[in-house]
Amino acid sequence: GAVVSQHPSWVICKSGTSVKIECRSLDFQATTMFWYRQFPKQSLMLMATSNEGSKATYEQGVEKDKFLINHASLTLSTLTVTSAHPEDSSFYICSARVLAGAPYYEQYFGPGTRLTVT
Amino acid sequence: KNQVEQSPQSLIILEGKNCTLQCNYTVSPFSNLRWYKQDTGRGPVSLTIMTFSENTKSNGRYTATLDADTKQSSLHITASQLSDSASYICVVSLEYGNNRLAFGKGNQVVVIP
Repeated sequence: GAVVSQHPSWVICKSGTSVKIECRSLDFQATTMFWYRQFPKQSLMLMATSNEGSKATYEQGVEKDKFLINHASLTLSTLTVTSAHPEDSSFYICSARVLAGAPYYEQYFGPGTRLTVT
Repeated sequence: KNQVEQSPQSLIILEGKNCTLQCNYTVSPFSNLRWYKQDTGRGPVSLTIMTFSENTKSNGRYTATLDADTKQSSLHITASQLSDSASYICVVSLEYGNNRLAFGKGNQVVVIP
């Protein structure tokens, strides 16, 4: 089946530093990838939609200059949290979408990255 | 108000027993409804996907039902196992908005021996 990987699986960084998270589709190509953030006992919250070769579309309230997204190829998207602060500590999950056969898409999720900012 | 509401929020069941999780949604029109299993500290894994014309779909010991008229879905777990301990998330895919997904908060299931 389709596999989406994320790296790193967890990261601890100091306040003010930047952190890059990679999301890869291992055995398929994905023109569209999504980045989510999940706080404890909460729903996944969509941060941005990333399309290969174009600028990401950010959800309302998500700062594009703070959460930099690059979708350089059909198998790789990266999320960079710039000047991280403790309130950015969260579980970040990416997903990749493929057309599963009309009428819907299948969305495969990565294992997530736990970010802790001290 | 969340477009997808799940109940119960949490549930403890004995190993071997059955349980049913509920999902009510207000999203309309929708393309499909999905149930995902999310283990602690992991990403969601798809269990079932149903379009509005499907009433039931099974995946092993997991059986999902859908009533598009009342906008309700359920996920039934049969003969629960310890590995079923996880959060089960109901997700509705919108027909418009490029198939945007609306997520429930999840049903936290704990299976005890």
